This record gives sequence, structure tokens and C-alpha cells, in this order.
Amino acid sequence: GQQVMQIPQYQHVQEGEDFTTYCNSSTTLSNIQWYKQRPGGHPVFLIQLVKSGEVKKQKRLTFQFGEAKKNSSLHITATQTTDVGTYFCAARSNDYKLSFGAGTTVTVRA
Amino acid sequence: NAGVMQNPRHLVRRRGQEARLRCSPMKGHSHVYWYRQLPEEGLKFMVYLQKENIIDESGMPKERFSAEFPKEGPSILRIQQVVRGDSAAYFCASSTGQGRGEAFFGQGTRLTVV
Repeated sequence: GQQVMQIPQYQHVQEGEDFTTYCNSSTTLSNIQWYKQRPGGHPVFLIQLVKSGEVKKQKRLTFQFGEAKKNSSLHITATQTTDVGTYFCAARSNDYKLSFGAGTTVTVRA
Repeated sequence: NAGVMQNPRHLVRRRGQEARLRCSPMKGHSHVYWYRQLPEEGLKFMVYLQKENIIDESGMPKERFSAEFPKEGPSILRIQQVVRGDSAAYFCASSTGQGRGEAFFGQGTRLTVV
């Protein structure tokens, strides 16, 4: 199955600042998905990227899929306390198995 | 349309007992995934099933763990002779028959082995 690596593992952010989390694969991905898990909660789907170089925005969140379809990023601007949680990227292999990165856990300093 | 339903939400078992975790996928979904999550860690893939078939169980421990997704009824993750190291949150997710879309997660079963 696909192996995706996420960095950083932890991100401590001052409220109002921006940050980016990265997802990398050694192989070309057919698509990539991003999920968010709040503390004590379950993962919730955020977005799916399919096309090379694709960029999608959801309010303060910007998702990007690399030109070679081997990496992806999530950039959050003007971080708020509601952004606290763990952000996972996930990729499917040809047999549709969905494999998750280790996640980036975000904490916010008010 | 109810979401993915997992039960029980919390399960306490003594060492050596059996744990049965249930997952009812969303209506119309025929693909089920089970993941394990330890505190402060990511989601570890365990098994991927379609109706009546195990597609990929590469993440399942070879012993004591089994999973099924029968034609009728929920998917079951069974852990025999539980040990303390099995304590974790177990999440089930389902997706459409095409297996391409987003995965919808249940709220998880928190297993505690005492």
C-alpha cells in the first residue's frame, strides 16, 4: 500500500499566525485526502485532491497537490483556537486501501 | 441517513477475555476499514473488507485478531484473549462501492484492558 510521511508531527502555533503541514510519498499518488481529528473525536474528511498541481481553499485552509502528485500540503492562515486537532493526509493504493500519515497535531497559544 | 455506527463506544475487558467491536457502515457503503489509534499516535491500518471478503489484512496481528463483514449485519472486529497492549481506540470507516471517495468514520470504540 501507499506510504505517506507527514511533517511536522507537532505544530505549536501562536494564535493569529500561519503554519503549513506537509505530506510526502515516494510513489505517485492517484489522489490524496485530508482529515481533521479534534481531541477525543474521530477523523472527519476535509477535502480530496486529484489533479496535478491542484489547489483548493476552504476559508483559511489552503490545500495543494504537487505537480508530480507525490506530495501535498495544508496551509492554515491566521490560526484560531478552533484549529486545534490532528490533521491527517491519506492516500489510496490501487486496490483502494486507504493509508494515513502519522498526522500533525496542532496546539494553539492564545 | 445515519452515519457510521460503532458500538460499544467504550469497552472494558479483563486480560484474557474477548472483545467484540461492531461497525455498521453508512447505507450504501460496501467498503469497511478498521484502524487502531493509540494515545497521541496516528491511525494504524488494520484491515480492509468488502461484503463477505477480506481484501487486505496486512495490518492485523497474526494472532488473536480477526475481522469479518458478513452479507447481513455489521462488520465485527474480534480480539481474543485481550492483553493490556490492546487498549486503544478502534475506528471503523466506510466508503462507497467504488472505494474512491471519502471515508466516513464512526466515533470509535475505546477499549480498555484491565
